[in-house]
Amino acid sequence: EIVLTQSPGTLSLSPGERGTLSCRASQSVSSNYLAWYQQKPGQAPRLLIYGASSRATGIPDRFSGSGSGTDFTLTISRLEPEDFAVYYCQQYGSSPWTFGQGTKVEIK
Amino acid sequence: QVQLQESGPGLVKPSQTLSLTCSVSGGSISSANYYWSWIRQPAGKGLEWIGRIYTSGSTNYNPSLKSRVTISVDTSKNQFSLTLSSVTAADTAVYYCAREGLTLNCFDPWGQGTLVTVSS
Repeated sequence: EIVLTQSPGTLSLSPGERGTLSCRASQSVSSNYLAWYQQKPGQAPRLLIYGASSRATGIPDRFSGSGSGTDFTLTISRLEPEDFAVYYCQQYGSSPWTFGQGTKVEIK
Repeated sequence: QVQLQESGPGLVKPSQTLSLTCSVSGGSISSANYYWSWIRQPAGKGLEWIGRIYTSGSTNYNPSLKSRVTISVDTSKNQFSLTLSSVTAADTAVYYCAREGLTLNCFDPWGQGTLVTVSS
């Protein structure tokens, strides 16, 4: 199975700053089938990005995804207070679908 | 818009069988465009895809759990279900149901999740 490694484990930033989250795959992700989710405490994950770079319905344009092959990035251009959460990547290019271990974005 | 809601016992004894149901509202589980999946998350840990079912009853399971998992669908009730046999404390987790795209196999939306604790 494809193992996804996210870095850093925790990202400490201030509102208004730019956040850059990384997701590295143990082997190439077919057709860039890579998604990003946001999870807040006590809530289910919410889909942000699919196909590595396409925003899901209703997701603000401050969220953007990029990358291909084995290296993917989620960028939050200007952090809003509601963006402090845990972010997970997920690959759906090769079954079984797998998730990264998460990056926590916390208020500095 | 489609909403999903998990239900089932919150406490299961070791070696017994965990059973959960996901009720779908605002859309039909018989839609040709989606799979219906189960995902779990142990406390403070990451997410693990358990498996999925299509409206036809066709299933796919994570090999790590395949020997213990069964997912079924009841189109008349617009529900799908998860059973996990021979549970241990390692199966303690929040269990989510989610809709999975037929071609874009990511998960949207998700149910709110239900905590299942395995303990005697």
